[in-house]
Amino acid sequence: AQSVTQLGSHVSVSEGALVLLRCNYSSSVPPYLFWYVQYPNQGLQLLLKYTSAATLVKGINGFEAEFKKSETSFHLTKPSAHMSDAAEYFCAVSDEGYGGSQGNLIFGKGTKLSVKP
Amino acid sequence: GAGVSQSPRYKVAKRGQDVALRCDPISGHVSLFWYQQALGQGPEFLTYFQNEAQLDKSGLPSDRFFAERPEGSVSTLKIQRTQQEDSAVYLCASSHDRADQPQHFGDGTRLSIL
Repeated sequence: AQSVTQLGSHVSVSEGALVLLRCNYSSSVPPYLFWYVQYPNQGLQLLLKYTSAATLVKGINGFEAEFKKSETSFHLTKPSAHMSDAAEYFCAVSDEGYGGSQGNLIFGKGTKLSVKP
Repeated sequence: GAGVSQSPRYKVAKRGQDVALRCDPISGHVSLFWYQQALGQGPEFLTYFQNEAQLDKSGLPSDRFFAERPEGSVSTLKIQRTQQEDSAVYLCASSHDRADQPQHFGDGTRLSIL
């Protein structure tokens, strides 16, 4: 069964510092991997996705993630944190569903990012 | 509309009451998913529709939970005889019917059972 582990339920960085949010997955087949961000009282917004093309994936708002099969990792990074990055971040994995269609997402428990001025 | 729309945004019900939560997906999206997000947790899968067909309901926690999408567009999640443990945010997501396509989420319905 697929699973996702996000190390660190809460990460705090200073504004302008590097952001690193960790995600490890468990999947028996090449997965599809996603990072979503959730602001308070809102739904999930897609940051980026990995779908077996380039291993370094660039997303919105300056975020990127690198797929490392040997480490079964998909860590999210941003070179310089901004106050507006404070939110909760979820890593998710899925595989193909019925006949190549969408499979449901398996989410990690989330990492809450705080940004100090 | 431009995004996934869910209503109501907030719902308070007394234990034992029935509730109905609505999801209006992005036009043209074949796939529709329901997720349950408990406080401080990641979303957990409930059920999946491909057009009007409910292809997977393995995540529904009990037979009190029922979902439908009769015309392949709007979907309703119904919870009968609500219990306190049903309190959560219910998220709906829709997507094109390809495994590499991302799911687009609504803002959710926050359900509180008193």
